[in-house]
Amino acid sequence: DGGITQSPKYLFRKEGQNVTLSCEQNLNHDAMYWYRQDPGQGLRLIYYSQIVNDFQKGDIAEGYSVSREKKESFPLTVTSAQKNPTAFYLCASSRYTGQGLDTQYFGPGTRLTVL
Amino acid sequence: EDQVTQSPEALRLQEGESSSLNCSYTVSGLRGLFWYRQDPGKGPEFLFTLYSAGEEKEKERLKATLTKKESFLHITAPKPEDSATYLCAVQAGTGGSYIPTFGRGTSLIVHP
Repeated sequence: DGGITQSPKYLFRKEGQNVTLSCEQNLNHDAMYWYRQDPGQGLRLIYYSQIVNDFQKGDIAEGYSVSREKKESFPLTVTSAQKNPTAFYLCASSRYTGQGLDTQYFGPGTRLTVL
Repeated sequence: EDQVTQSPEALRLQEGESSSLNCSYTVSGLRGLFWYRQDPGKGPEFLFTLYSAGEEKEKERLKATLTKKESFLHITAPKPEDSATYLCAVQAGTGGSYIPTFGRGTSLIVHP
């Protein structure tokens, strides 16, 4: 079955630690995204990538880093510089057509908690 | 700046009581409007994409419509399993990166 997987489902971080969230897709989509979701707020874009080895900052990129070495994978690292990382993190992917980005499909999410 | 506003923030219905959720938007040249359903602790599940004013799409008890300024998600005779948060996202068609802008969602609870 085609889809997007995220791991782990739950992640706990101590102060000062970097943690990496995994996102893999087998939909053959060109574009991948990371969003953060907090209670009562909409999805906020952290980073996105339209092609391999290229990515752009979203609205709240400070304290986060990404890489896109393979089409299927787009890991997100939450660094110690992110002062309030406790949130629900969502990965998404979409096709990139000649007219722009297509419908986004989401993974199941990773809930990160800072201890 | 692209803006998306969803209303109401929360909606409680009795089973069978039909209603509508609203998504109003301001964008430079709409390319697409998306509706998603999100269950607690899970990722959003894609429902519909609408591209132009006057377009309508249906899926079971849900019907999405689009005008030049807003979209409605009509829920006919809802059941408790329709309880979820419904998210709307808008994609601009001119300038920028084509990344959709999301609203804050409407939390729907359907009581048996």
